[in-house]
Amino acid sequence: KNEVEQSPQNLTAQEGEFITINCSYSVGISALHWLQQHPGGGIVSLFMLSSGKKKHGRLIATINIQEKHSSLHITASHPRDSAVYICAVRVEYGNKLVFGAGTILRVKS
Amino acid sequence: NAGVTQTPKFRVLKTGQSMTLLCAQDMNHEYMYWYRQDPGMGLRLIHYSVGEGTTAKGEVPDGYNVSRLKKQNFLLGLESAAPSQTSVYFCASSLSGTGGYGYTFGSGTRLTVV
Repeated sequence: KNEVEQSPQNLTAQEGEFITINCSYSVGISALHWLQQHPGGGIVSLFMLSSGKKKHGRLIATINIQEKHSSLHITASHPRDSAVYICAVRVEYGNKLVFGAGTILRVKS
Repeated sequence: NAGVTQTPKFRVLKTGQSMTLLCAQDMNHEYMYWYRQDPGMGLRLIHYSVGEGTTAKGEVPDGYNVSRLKKQNFLLGLESAAPSQTSVYFCASSLSGTGGYGYTFGSGTRLTVV
């Protein structure tokens, strides 16, 4: 079993829909990262979380440390949100990031 | 402010050939990392460096070598390329080892070994 699991693997939404991507992990962590990768493009850091909730524009990230779970929400989705969203955790007491396999999001107009 | 720059962006190699991928950062970050990304899998750490002159093995180091002669540059070498090394390679850097200030990624190098 992977240490970081994301769901769903693929997601297709209509423009304007509210989107949720989930990330569960099985190791102790010091922080969790949400990253975005556009097709053929580089990786951009969206959020770094160690507790609670963060918001940036239409993106909201939450984390529940006790349940070892994080969610990334996109409100009022737009075709330009189409990308791969990657969850990564920084393992506690280590110098290591462990990555989920990513969620491929397609937003149709 | 360029951030993390990777060169080249694309490369096709024949089996057995060698090449070096260059990663350069202008943020004075101490830590630098090389990852590979394969379909259906999360990024996997190949090698990393905690400062100038240091390198360490990650999860999948076999077939790769690295050097960090200058703080701003981290080189990834393939001495004898194999088809299994076909992948997208990402370099990243961070200010601290705890990642408390986050990570900056390059735009990737798509390598095909035929």
